[in-house]
Amino acid sequence: EAQVTQNPRYLITVTGKKLTVTCSQNMNHEYMSWYRQDPGLGLRQIYYSMNVEVTDKGDVPEGYKVSRKEKRNFPLILESPSPNQTSLYFCASSRLNNRDSYGYTFGSGTRLTVV
Amino acid sequence: LAKTTQPISMDSYEGQEVNITCSHNNIATNDYITWYQQFPSQGPRFIIQGYKTKVTNEVASLFIPADRKSSTLSLPRVSLSDTAVYYCLVGDVYRRNYGGSQGNLIFGKGTKLSVKP
Repeated sequence: EAQVTQNPRYLITVTGKKLTVTCSQNMNHEYMSWYRQDPGLGLRQIYYSMNVEVTDKGDVPEGYKVSRKEKRNFPLILESPSPNQTSLYFCASSRLNNRDSYGYTFGSGTRLTVV
Repeated sequence: LAKTTQPISMDSYEGQEVNITCSHNNIATNDYITWYQQFPSQGPRFIIQGYKTKVTNEVASLFIPADRKSSTLSLPRVSLSDTAVYYCLVGDVYRRNYGGSQGNLIFGKGTKLSVKP
């Protein structure tokens, strides 16, 4: 089944403790991206990647890191999490340079709480 | 930058047809119009995409007038399970440019549809 898989689904952590949220897609998509969703603010892009070893900042990159060493994986790293990073996170992927009709595929989300 | 404007919320009843209109006055020649659906605590799901006139799939229809400055998502005979937030996105599908830098998929606030029994 074509899908984007995020792990973990739920995570409670303490301020300052480094964590990684994994994202993997099995569709050979070039493009991958991370979003956070907060009440009243909608979906905001954190980082995105157009291909392996190519990453760029989105609208709210502060406090986050990403890497794209393989085409299928795009982990989100919080080096020193803070309570304002408590949010619902989504990973998404898509083909590039193709006017297909399937748009972006999103993962099921990771609910992160930083205390 | 093709900014989109949608109603914040809409109410409907089961069995009715629902039409959600999105305004995008600054749409560019290469831009496509794409709609997503999101249920609480789930990732957005692609519904339909179009460039002009009318597009229909098993879930919805998308109507785009000749000037392309607006579009209407039509959901036939909605049910309680159609209660969700619906997002309209406008951008260059080929270059994945939705108004920001290339690759930046920009979501607005969306339209919260509530379907009542």
